[in-house]
Amino acid sequence: KAGVTQTPRYLIKTRGQQVTLSCSPISGHRSVSWYQQTPGQGLQFLFEYFSETQRNKGNFPGRFSGRQFSNSRSEMNVSTLELGDSALYLCASTGGGGYEQYFGPGTRLTVT
Amino acid sequence: DAKTTQPPSMDCAEGRAANLPCNHSTISGNEYVYWYRQIHSQGPQYIIHGLKNNETNEMASLIITEDRKSSTLILPHATLRDTAVYYCIVRWAQGGSEKLVFGKGTKLTVNP
Repeated sequence: KAGVTQTPRYLIKTRGQQVTLSCSPISGHRSVSWYQQTPGQGLQFLFEYFSETQRNKGNFPGRFSGRQFSNSRSEMNVSTLELGDSALYLCASTGGGGYEQYFGPGTRLTVT
Repeated sequence: DAKTTQPPSMDCAEGRAANLPCNHSTISGNEYVYWYRQIHSQGPQYIIHGLKNNETNEMASLIITEDRKSSTLILPHATLRDTAVYYCIVRWAQGGSEKLVFGKGTKLTVNP
């Protein structure tokens, strides 16, 4: 079974721009969670989607948003990028009767 | 905040067992102990989880004390590829909406 895939793997953006990241979960998994990882704050939960509905949300500003499609693929969007948004963005999927989260390789976002 | 405490770093000789401790003194009765690891700049990898009985899979063994206030992850024959940050996480597993709260983890270095 293919793992969680994320695109793109690397991205460079300028302050003030917006960015969209994509995540394809493991086939059959219906829950997708997003995390941000920075050297200073570590791994932090952004939000989780299940059946196209946001089910849980972390403490991030409204510039961070997401959505999930009927095929369980998910996207997250960050608007008005700031330098501090430079991070590794990870998504994880859950399903198949288990509760373990399986992570993708991440998207490395650099904001200049 | 993370509900677990782990030593910041540990060293282990290749071929020897690596025993990674975790304290979770405030764990509640319906919370599980999960272990993940993250090899540099990759997504976290699920290792194992347990409630109160000891668990073993192809990657590791998990020993949980009888009072459930601490646990130990055991890698029986550590290899250089086991060098990673290991995260111990307490979470309620009854549904995927419970986010993972990562602490700082233990940086395990396996030496040749």
